Amino acid sequence: DIVLTQSPGTLSLSPGERATLSCRASQSVSSSYLAWYQQKPGQAPRLLIYGASSRASGIPDRFSGSGSGTDFTLTISRLEPEDFAVYYCQKYGSSPPFTFGPGTKVDIK
Amino acid sequence: EVQVVESGGGLVQPGGSLRLSCAASGFTFSAYSMNWVRQAPGKGLEWVSSISSSGTIYYADSVKGRFTISRDNAKNSLYLQMNSLRDEDTAVYYCARYFDHWGQGTLVTVSS
Repeated sequence: DIVLTQSPGTLSLSPGERATLSCRASQSVSSSYLAWYQQKPGQAPRLLIYGASSRASGIPDRFSGSGSGTDFTLTISRLEPEDFAVYYCQKYGSSPPFTFGPGTKVDIK
Repeated sequence: EVQVVESGGGLVQPGGSLRLSCAASGFTFSAYSMNWVRQAPGKGLEWVSSISSSGTIYYADSVKGRFTISRDNAKNSLYLQMNSLRDEDTAVYYCARYFDHWGQGTLVTVSS
């Protein structure tokens, strides 16, 4: 099974700064079936990015995804106050298990 | 508007059973794969089970043989039958259309 590792565990930044989150897979993720989610306390996860780099409907363009194979990145170009949350990557597609990474918490510095 | 709404959570003793339901609306339910994902208190997300539009079913190893996913396309509903529940099954259980639309979750607490 593919294992996803996210780094850093916590990212402390100020509003307006750039955030770079990493997701590394133990094996290549086929056809870039890699997604990113945002989760705020007490809320359900929200899909941000699918297919490694495609923004989901309604997601602001300050969120971008990149990468392929085993190394993927979520970038938030300029942090807004509402962006402080936990971010998860996930491998999905046609071959289970559809594993999630452990998450990166982006908090206010 | 796409909506999925979970129900059926509650307190159950170890070894007990519970059936979760997910009511879907705003989309052609039969055309989409559906998923259950759970989150233990203070922990990350864990994929539990999936059922495709054609009925192909997958389970995480942690629930295989104990949980059963099913769907009723006529009722636009997804289900998760959970048997032989353990303390470690305590979590918020989310229903998700594919993985793009999620419900608000239903809390399952397994405790004596």
